[in-house]
Amino acid sequence: GNSVTQMEGPVTLSEEAFLTINCTYTATGYPSLFWYVQYPGEGLQLLLKATKADDKGSNKGFEATYRKETTSFHLEKGSVQVSDSAVYFCALGGNQGGKLIFGQGTELSVKP
Amino acid sequence: EAQVTQNPRYLITVTGKKLTVTCSQNMNHEYMSWYRQDPGLGLRQIYYSMNVEVTDKGDVPEGYKVSRKEKRNFPLILESPSPNQTSLYFCASSLSHGPQPQHFGDGTRLSIL
Repeated sequence: GNSVTQMEGPVTLSEEAFLTINCTYTATGYPSLFWYVQYPGEGLQLLLKATKADDKGSNKGFEATYRKETTSFHLEKGSVQVSDSAVYFCALGGNQGGKLIFGQGTELSVKP
Repeated sequence: EAQVTQNPRYLITVTGKKLTVTCSQNMNHEYMSWYRQDPGLGLRQIYYSMNVEVTDKGDVPEGYKVSRKEKRNFPLILESPSPNQTSLYFCASSLSHGPQPQHFGDGTRLSIL
């Protein structure tokens, strides 16, 4: 069945460091891929998405490219800020009705 | 403001005492869903609804019920809660089923003693 695997956390970085959070997936068909962010005490918010191979999603300095050949959707940001501290979820959806399949989440902590 | 509203945000209760978590959205979305979030497991879908009076099981439906009598509301019912249902619950909605981003509520933290 469909599944999503994320790198384990927590990830701790200093402000202005480069961020990569790895995400790989297994899926039939042509799913859409999403990154969601969860700030403490809040629900999940859509960060970015990509709907087909080679699409690049971007938002707030974060980017991720839908790579069909490596079944990956890694999240990157060139210079993180303390305010980016949150839990990040990679998700797959679109080929099983509206269901989203989530990775286990990666906690990011950015220190000043 | 577009939002998904869940109530209560926190609840501590005892085994076997029926409870309902309400979910309401003001975006006229057709698709609504419930997830539970557990450490190391991410979010798993409990039930979903594609429209009024249309509901179906997700990946972990055991011990839960839902109903969709109106488009905006999608309550989650635990008829006889047990400790393994202690979790963080999220309601979500989207315009339709398919590759749509979903809007999430702020979550309900349930503790079943």
